[in-house]
Amino acid sequence: DARVTQTPRHKVTEMGQEVTMRCQPILGHNTVFWYRQTMMQGLELLAYFRNRAPLDDSGMPKDRFSAEMPDATLATLKIQPSEPRDSAVYFCASALGLAGGDRTGELFFGEGSRLTVL
Amino acid sequence: EDKVVQSPLSLVVHEGDTVTLNCSYEVTNFRSLLWYKQEKKAPTFLFMLTSSGIEKKSGRLSSILDKKELFSILNITATQTGDSAVYLCAAERYGNKLVFGAGTILRVKS
Repeated sequence: DARVTQTPRHKVTEMGQEVTMRCQPILGHNTVFWYRQTMMQGLELLAYFRNRAPLDDSGMPKDRFSAEMPDATLATLKIQPSEPRDSAVYFCASALGLAGGDRTGELFFGEGSRLTVL
Repeated sequence: EDKVVQSPLSLVVHEGDTVTLNCSYEVTNFRSLLWYKQEKKAPTFLFMLTSSGIEKKSGRLSSILDKKELFSILNITATQTGDSAVYLCAAERYGNKLVFGAGTILRVKS
C-alpha cells in the first residue's frame, strides 16, 4: 500500500524551539512538495523538489524555515526558531514527474504533521 | 498574482440533493485543474482536467473545465452523508506548482 509517510503526526512545542518534520515520499516519486494548511490561509505551497533539487521555495519564510532532501526517500522541513504563527498542519505530498520535467499529475498527500507552537 | 477562488465557502444540503461547487482561477502558464476531497486528514484526489468541455465522471461525481472562462465546476448528485468534506480546487502551472483555493465545506444532513 504505497503512501506518503509523515512524522511526527502531532507536535506541541514552545516558542523559540527547533522543529523538524520528516516525510517519506512514495517510492519512485521524484517530486516532493511541502504545504502548510491553516484556517485563514488554506493550503499554501512552501517548497518543492524535483529529483531532490529545490525548484521553488518562494513560499517559505527564509529566515526561519529550511527544506532539504538528504536522499530520495527523505524530505525534511525545519523551523528554527519556531513562533506561534507557525502553528498549522504541514502536509508533504509526492508525485511522479514525467520525462520532460513538467508533468505532475496527481499529488499524493501524507496525513500531515499538526504543529502547535505555544 | 496567481489566484484560485472557490464558491460557495460552505454549503449544507440534505441527502439526495444535487450540489454544484465552483472554482475560478487566474494562473499564469496554466496547465490543469485538479479537485481534491479532504475529510479529516489528507486531501484525496478526485479529478484532473486539462481540456475544456470534456466532462470527467466518477460515480456520482462529475467535473468539467472551461478554459475560456477560467472556471471549473464539480457536481455531486444524490448526495450522501459520506460526501461531507472540504472540496479543494487547485490550478496547476507548468513547472508543477499547484495553487489551491480555500475550499468549499460541504455538509450533507441525513
